[in-house]
Amino acid sequence: EAGVAQSPRYKIIEKRQSVAFWCNPISGHATLYWYQQILGQGPKLLIQFQNNGVVDDSQLPKDRFSAERLKGVDSTLKIQPAKLEDSAVYLCASSTEGPRTYTEAFFGQGTRLTVV
Amino acid sequence: RKEVEQDPGPFNVPEGATVAFNCTYSNSASQSFFWYRQDCRKEPKLLMSVYSSGNEDGRFTAQLNRASQYISLLIRDSKLSDSATYLCVARDTGRRALTFGSGTRLQVQP
Repeated sequence: EAGVAQSPRYKIIEKRQSVAFWCNPISGHATLYWYQQILGQGPKLLIQFQNNGVVDDSQLPKDRFSAERLKGVDSTLKIQPAKLEDSAVYLCASSTEGPRTYTEAFFGQGTRLTVV
Repeated sequence: RKEVEQDPGPFNVPEGATVAFNCTYSNSASQSFFWYRQDCRKEPKLLMSVYSSGNEDGRFTAQLNRASQYISLLIRDSKLSDSATYLCVARDTGRRALTFGSGTRLQVQP
């Protein structure tokens, strides 16, 4: 079974530039998450989708971050403009979780972003 | 205060040692708990779920104390391959996404 695919693996940009990350979840997984992991910290949820609807974006810095999952499959996360503190690994995860059930969330390898 | 708190370590132990990690959570609405393992520069992977009755998977034992809002992970007979960061994770019934602690780093030495 193919895992969660993310691209690019690495990205270096200057502050105030824009960047976009792409995620393709495991086939059939309705729930998709974007997490931010800063070095030395645990992953922090940015946004959760159920199919193409947003379930939780309470921790997404909406002045600069945006995400979409238009067809309920793959997703993009965008940062515009980037700040130095956005340097982190951006992890995408997916699960088959429904409203009342929990199933394991599988993570992609992440995109390592460096803002200089 | 962080929702999920862990001792960051590192824990440096010799092969064959028993090591225990502790974790506390502050959200009383948390219902499900997990331990994830993260190798250096890799993605987190589920190690095991944690149940009130306690559960064991080979050399790994997880315990949950809801009254104290405390979770533990015990690793017996440590192997070099156990070297990784162990992330304590909670999930509440409202916000269904996972809330991660900062992780405890384990280094098993020969």
